[in-house]
Amino acid sequence: NAGVMQNPRHLVRRRGQEARLRCSPMKGHSHVYWYRQLPEEGLKFMVYLQKENIIDESGMPKERFSAEFPKEGPSILRIQQVVRGDSAAYFCASSYGTSVSSTDTQYFGPGTRLTVL
Amino acid sequence: AQSVSQHNHHVILSEAASLELGCNYSYGGTVNLFWYVQYPGQHLQLLLKYFSGDPLVKGIKGFEAEFIKSKFSFNLRKPSVQWSDTAEYFCAVFHQAGTALIFGKGTTLSVSS
Repeated sequence: NAGVMQNPRHLVRRRGQEARLRCSPMKGHSHVYWYRQLPEEGLKFMVYLQKENIIDESGMPKERFSAEFPKEGPSILRIQQVVRGDSAAYFCASSYGTSVSSTDTQYFGPGTRLTVL
Repeated sequence: AQSVSQHNHHVILSEAASLELGCNYSYGGTVNLFWYVQYPGQHLQLLLKYFSGDPLVKGIKGFEAEFIKSKFSFNLRKPSVQWSDTAEYFCAVFHQAGTALIFGKGTTLSVSS
């Protein structure tokens, strides 16, 4: 059973360009979470999605950032007009459900390391 | 706001030493508790988790953690560390009213052989 897949693993963008990060959840998982890890910091929640729905985007900056999880295909985290402060590791996690129950462990992908020049 | 505190930023140990990493959380309701490990250059891996039942949880690679509800703590322990345990360790909490994990800032463990 393949784990959570993310691509690309490394992404370099110049200021003002767009960054697209992709995440394919584990088989059978319909809940996807995006987290950002800045240097010397723990992971910070950005957005939680189910198929075709954004459930909670309270951790995502209001401007330039968007996320989607279409009916078919991977979840996409999109950052428009990137700035140097967007440089970070972006991790995707998936789970089977989301309530406080034993089936709802989040499993993480390898992350995408975004560098903005 | 809910938060997770990891008391030690960087721990340095010799092989065979015992390890205890502290983790405290602030949420008072029902919680699930996790420890994740991130080896150098790799992604987060689940080390162990607590949902209910026995407060002493055993995980992979000889790690265990104890949930003490009265202290809002979930400390990670290992009786004898190995060089290969060098990694960053993250405590995380999922609470009933939330939708995502809340992570501590992490503890970097360096084990010298």
